[in-house]
Amino acid sequence: GQQLNQSPQSMFIQEGEDVSMNCTSSSIFNTWLWYKQEPGEGPVLLIALYKAGELTSNGRLTAQFGITRKDSFLNISASIPSDVGIYFCAGRLGAGNNRKLIWGLGTSLAVNP
Amino acid sequence: GAVVSQHPSWVICKSGTSVKIECRSLDFQATTMFWYRQFPKQSLMLMATSNEGSKATYEQGVEKDKFLINHASLTLSTLTVTSAHPEDSSFYICSARKTENTGELFFGEGSRLTVL
Repeated sequence: GQQLNQSPQSMFIQEGEDVSMNCTSSSIFNTWLWYKQEPGEGPVLLIALYKAGELTSNGRLTAQFGITRKDSFLNISASIPSDVGIYFCAGRLGAGNNRKLIWGLGTSLAVNP
Repeated sequence: GAVVSQHPSWVICKSGTSVKIECRSLDFQATTMFWYRQFPKQSLMLMATSNEGSKATYEQGVEKDKFLINHASLTLSTLTVTSAHPEDSSFYICSARKTENTGELFFGEGSRLTVL
């Protein structure tokens, strides 16, 4: 099925460093969502974006809905060991009650204390 | 927030048996629920969309007779893996959308199925 281009695929950083990851698509989305998944758990919603250009923060996390509506980024500032996990972007095309999410392949983050 | 709970969190079964996984929205009503399958170190793969009171919509390549989905109430959807085989072993995750919500999905904890 259709997927988003998410990069980087993995990151290994030192505690305290900032992290940036992004997703791009050839299609226009009307919603961007960022999730974090830890091993053996379901994804947890971090940030939801609904308007082009929207910049939203959740603690040390900041995400933006690209003005072209074809991309989004997630930044994590001052990383800590508990930030470890896989981060997924997801975008929604179109409208309708059953509109599906298109998923990125994930960015695996490892933080060295 | 919104809480979605799955049960069981893990199950081991013999080949040929059927396994039922429940997905419940605990503090909201969900007219739509989604079932995903996830292989190790891969992204989520949508299997089907279920709407309360109607038949589920399956994604291409997903056998509806193999993966039975029932969404009998606004707070419960079930996935039954019928005549399970080792290749059905996977991590199954459900998600639900709040009735009033514009689009955010809330996920259950996932269910790890191992078929021997």
